[in-house]
Amino acid sequence: AQKVTQAQTEISVVEKEDVTLDCVYETRDTTYYLFWYKQPPSGELVFLIRRNSFDEQNEISGRYSWNFQKSTSSFNFTITASQVVDSAVYFCALSGNNFNKFYFGSGTKLNVKP
Amino acid sequence: EPEVTQTPSHQVTQMGQEVILRCVPISNHLYFYWYRQILGQKVEFLVSFYNNEISEKSEIFDDQFSVERPDGSNFTLKIRSTKLEDSAMYFCASSDDYYGEQYFGPGTRLTVT
Repeated sequence: AQKVTQAQTEISVVEKEDVTLDCVYETRDTTYYLFWYKQPPSGELVFLIRRNSFDEQNEISGRYSWNFQKSTSSFNFTITASQVVDSAVYFCALSGNNFNKFYFGSGTKLNVKP
Repeated sequence: EPEVTQTPSHQVTQMGQEVILRCVPISNHLYFYWYRQILGQKVEFLVSFYNNEISEKSEIFDDQFSVERPDGSNFTLKIRSTKLEDSAMYFCASSDDYYGEQYFGPGTRLTVT
C-alpha cells in the first residue's frame, strides 16, 4: 500500500526564518516518484519538484531545498529565509509502479508572518 | 507557458442533478487525470485516462462518475446524480508521458446543495 504522512498540520514562522516541512512515505514498490506541490490561498496546485527512487541526491533551487533519504523513507522540504509569499499549503505526493496514480499527504499549512 | 484550464471555476448544483466539469489539458499531453479535494482535506486521486480509455480509477470513482474526451481538446468529468458529499474542489491534470510531471489546472469548486 502507498501512503504519505505529513505529520505537521500547520507551521508558523516569522519572515526570514528557515523552515522544514516533513514528509514520510510508505511503499513496497522498488521504483517510485516523490513530489512536492504548493497550494497557495488561490487554490491551484503548483508543481515544485519530482524525485525518483534511484536518485537520492539532494536538490537546491533558490531558497528551496529537498532532502531525500531512502533509509528513513523521508523526503523533506526546506525553505531558507522564508517570505510571506511562501504562505501556502504544501503537499507531498507519491506514485509507485503504477505511475498513473498519485497519493497525496494531508498537507502542511505554512504561515509566514512579516 | 501552456497551462491546463478548467471551467467553470465554481459550480453550484442541487442534489440529484447531473454536472459536467470541463478541462482543457495542455495541447501535446496524452495522459489526463481528475482529482478531488474536499475542503481542508488532502487531494485524492479519482481517475486517469489515456488513449481514450480509463487506465486507473480509485474506489471513489463509482458508477456515478464518468470521464470523456469528446474532442481533441476537452476532457470532462460527469457526475450523474450529485450528492452532498460530492462538494469539493475538482482538479484536472495532464502529463506528456507516463512518467511525466502532472500539471494541474486551477480547479472547479463544486457545491452541492
